[in-house]
Amino acid sequence: QKEVEQNSGPLSVPEGAIASLNCTYSDRGSQSFFWYRQYSGKSPELIMFIYSNGDKEDGRFTAQLNKASQYVSLLIRDSQPSDSATYLCAASIYNTDKLIFGTGTRLQVFP
Amino acid sequence: AAGVIQSPRHLIKEKRETATLKCYPIPRHDTVYWYQQGPGQDPQFLISFYEKMQSDKGSIPDRFSAQQFSDYHSELNMSSLELGDSALYFCASSLEYRGSNYGYTFGSGTRLTVV
Repeated sequence: QKEVEQNSGPLSVPEGAIASLNCTYSDRGSQSFFWYRQYSGKSPELIMFIYSNGDKEDGRFTAQLNKASQYVSLLIRDSQPSDSATYLCAASIYNTDKLIFGTGTRLQVFP
Repeated sequence: AAGVIQSPRHLIKEKRETATLKCYPIPRHDTVYWYQQGPGQDPQFLISFYEKMQSDKGSIPDRFSAQQFSDYHSELNMSSLELGDSALYFCASSLEYRGSNYGYTFGSGTRLTVV
């Protein structure tokens, strides 16, 4: 079992809809959680990070963390075709430098 | 704003050759991280440096070595290259130690192709 799991998708949503991306993690020592967006062949771009239970909003993006369920999600409101990319969920592990990435969910937003 | 600079952007090497990848962190950042991302794979942590000392080590093959210099740039040296080393190699930097707690900024990456 991977330490960070995501549905590979593709997740297809129409333009203007809400895209919901989900991630689970297995290591309860994980401290912070990150959502990165990656376009094909490009580097991962940090969208949001969250370390406390609950919701964190930034513009069209809302990250949600539930440590009891070991679950992280990302909501993208008013999805745009330019949001079409692979979204990587990542977790940091206590007292290490590494981020553990999931395999990513490919999001497709169609006009 | 200045970002993490990696060079070269693309590199083609033959099997058993040696490659050197360079990373220039964001100014004033003193911690550097290296990741490898194979085709269709998630990024895998290789190694990190804080203040020129190795601070953490991941799944880095013994054929690879890295170091951070006095100006905080870092180099990843890869020897006896194998076809399976073909991947995107990303460098990231952060201002503080254990930048993994807050996320870090990746460079544009070096695409290494071993033929």
